[in-house]
Amino acid sequence: GDSVTQMEGPVTLSEEAFLTINCTYTATGYPSLFWYVQYPGEGLQLLLKATKADDKGSNKGFEATYRKETTSFHLEKGSVQVSDSAVYFCALNPKAAGNKLTFGGGTRVLVKP
Amino acid sequence: DVKVTQSSRYLVKRTGEKVFLECVQDMDHENMFWYRQDPGLGLRLIYFSYDVKMKEKGDIPEGYSVSREKKERFSLILESASTNQTSMYLCASSLRIPYEQYFGPGTRLTVT
Repeated sequence: GDSVTQMEGPVTLSEEAFLTINCTYTATGYPSLFWYVQYPGEGLQLLLKATKADDKGSNKGFEATYRKETTSFHLEKGSVQVSDSAVYFCALNPKAAGNKLTFGGGTRVLVKP
Repeated sequence: DVKVTQSSRYLVKRTGEKVFLECVQDMDHENMFWYRQDPGLGLRLIYFSYDVKMKEKGDIPEGYSVSREKKERFSLILESASTNQTSMYLCASSLRIPYEQYFGPGTRLTVT
């Protein structure tokens, strides 16, 4: 079945450092891919998405490119801030009935001043 | 902006009580979902609904039921709450495939 694997955290960084969170997936066909962010005590917010190969999603300085050849969707940000401290989830939508998402386990990111 | 609201942010219930968690979305979405989130286990799908009065079991439906009488509202019911149902419950909604899901703020339920 479909699955999403992302790097385990926590990832601890200093402010203005470069952030990469790896995400790889297994799915048949051409799924849509998403990154969600969860701030402490809150629900998940959609951060960015890509619906087909080579699409690049971007939002709030974060970027991720849909790489079909490596089945990856790595999240990057060039200069993190303390406010980026959160848990990040990679997810895929196989475009099948029910529109269900398959989530990775989440990666906690802690940015220190 | 899409708005998904949940009836409570925090809830404390006793073992054996019947518990209702309510979710409302304001964007005319066909699909609605209930998840629970636990440390080390990630997000797990309990139930989802793709239309009014329609429901499908997710990965962990045992001990739960749902109701969708109106398109905008999706209720999760714990018929007889147990301590192992202490968790964060997240509701989400979406248009039909292949669109993203939008999440509510979550309800942290404690069963004592």
